[in-house]
Amino acid sequence: EVQLLESGGGLVQPGGSLRVSCVASGFTFGSYAMSWVRQTPGKGLEWVSLISAGTIRTYYADSVKGRFTISRDNSMNTVYLQMNSLRAEDTAVYYCTKKKGDAFDMWGQGTKVTVSS
Amino acid sequence: QSVLTQPPSVSAAPGQRVTISCSGSSSNIGKNYVSWYQQFPGTGPKLLIYENDGRPSGIPDRFSGSKSGTSATLGITGLQTGDEADYYCGTWDSSLSAWVFGGGTKLTVL
Repeated sequence: EVQLLESGGGLVQPGGSLRVSCVASGFTFGSYAMSWVRQTPGKGLEWVSLISAGTIRTYYADSVKGRFTISRDNSMNTVYLQMNSLRAEDTAVYYCTKKKGDAFDMWGQGTKVTVSS
Repeated sequence: QSVLTQPPSVSAAPGQRVTISCSGSSSNIGKNYVSWYQQFPGTGPKLLIYENDGRPSGIPDRFSGSKSGTSATLGITGLQTGDEADYYCGTWDSSLSAWVFGGGTKLTVL
């Protein structure tokens, strides 16, 4: 079964750091770009970051550039999002997604990140 | 404010047809493929349409997509109460080097 399972969310103080992870199963992980998309409660989807499959290239939304880092470990079928200098506006559910062609064809169930003192 | 513009809500009766628009620009929709996603409360989004008009396996042909210039449209025919959900369009923006989504449209089946 094709599955994406996020973990690592939680409560963190403003200015703090958190790393969320996503373990993939059911497909050849190393062959696909992976991305993180977040959703603030009651709001729409906001793309956060993407990491390519082969020659590693990374892309970030302006709102997180310089604070967040996406990485992947193909031996562990895992993609990570390291989040530093967190702000209240980073509070959201973070979804891990698999990119196939020009679409995100698989989504995880999400992990909730709350930035609050 | 989202780069792609969708109506906040649409509604129609069961059995009817509804369309959801997604308006962008030459750097995003005008240049790249559009995809559509369906999201029910408390769950992750699900891919409905890829590459403007492609349907993944398992998506009924009641759902269709099209693109013209800098706009795209999701069509749903034979509406069912189970179609009540939020719908999002998305594409790559070549100028921003970023993926962009529409603000989402809430579909109500009256």
